[in-house]
Amino acid sequence: AQTVTQSQPEMSVQEAETVTLSCTYDTSESDYYLFWYKQPPSRQMILVIRQEAYKQQNATENRFSVNFQKAAKSFSLKISDSQLGDAAMYFCARVTNTGNQFYFGTGTSLTVIP
Amino acid sequence: KAGVTQTPRYLIKTRGQQVTLSCSPISGHRSVSWYQQTPGQGLQFLFEYFSETQRNKGNFPGRFSGRQFSNSRSEMNVSTLELGDSALYLCASSFGDRGNTEAFFGQGTRLTVV
Repeated sequence: AQTVTQSQPEMSVQEAETVTLSCTYDTSESDYYLFWYKQPPSRQMILVIRQEAYKQQNATENRFSVNFQKAAKSFSLKISDSQLGDAAMYFCARVTNTGNQFYFGTGTSLTVIP
Repeated sequence: KAGVTQTPRYLIKTRGQQVTLSCSPISGHRSVSWYQQTPGQGLQFLFEYFSETQRNKGNFPGRFSGRQFSNSRSEMNVSTLELGDSALYLCASSFGDRGNTEAFFGQGTRLTVV
């Protein structure tokens, strides 16, 4: 199976607080890439953060960081100092090493409370 | 540089008709992939093209087809439209050929079948 699972359909966080979005995936490959994309109401998919599976170090982009657990096939996204502009649907995705075919999770709708 | 351009942005078609959607990737990108996004099924992979060759195809009926031109622009065609084809169709372009580079998404074409 090539599934990506996001078990939290909806999450909310107070402005300036921290929130973690969960993602697990299934693959038999050893080399692949993981992404978190954000889709605001405009529907434009925007890359949040990217992780190469062969790298043990967790990726970080400003207020966004991941907790990548390869053995557990887990890839969670932590958003620190949440801002109103972070409100969006967040999708976890995996790409194989043989092409650009993305497998997406079902998404987590994040609400930021002022 | 210009982003991924999808045209048209909105489309209303009648059951049984056919439709062609266009995607112009970022200059220099040779990979274009297409996705169907619906509230019920989420984001599902349709197909991916790299240098005019279809490399991967998702689990969609033969009514869905696509092609890529020598300038990397891609089109997807849906024949004999059904109500269930109503969706947001997203295309993504990538520079690399193995999922090791970021995919940039267009704003999508919203197709409504009546």
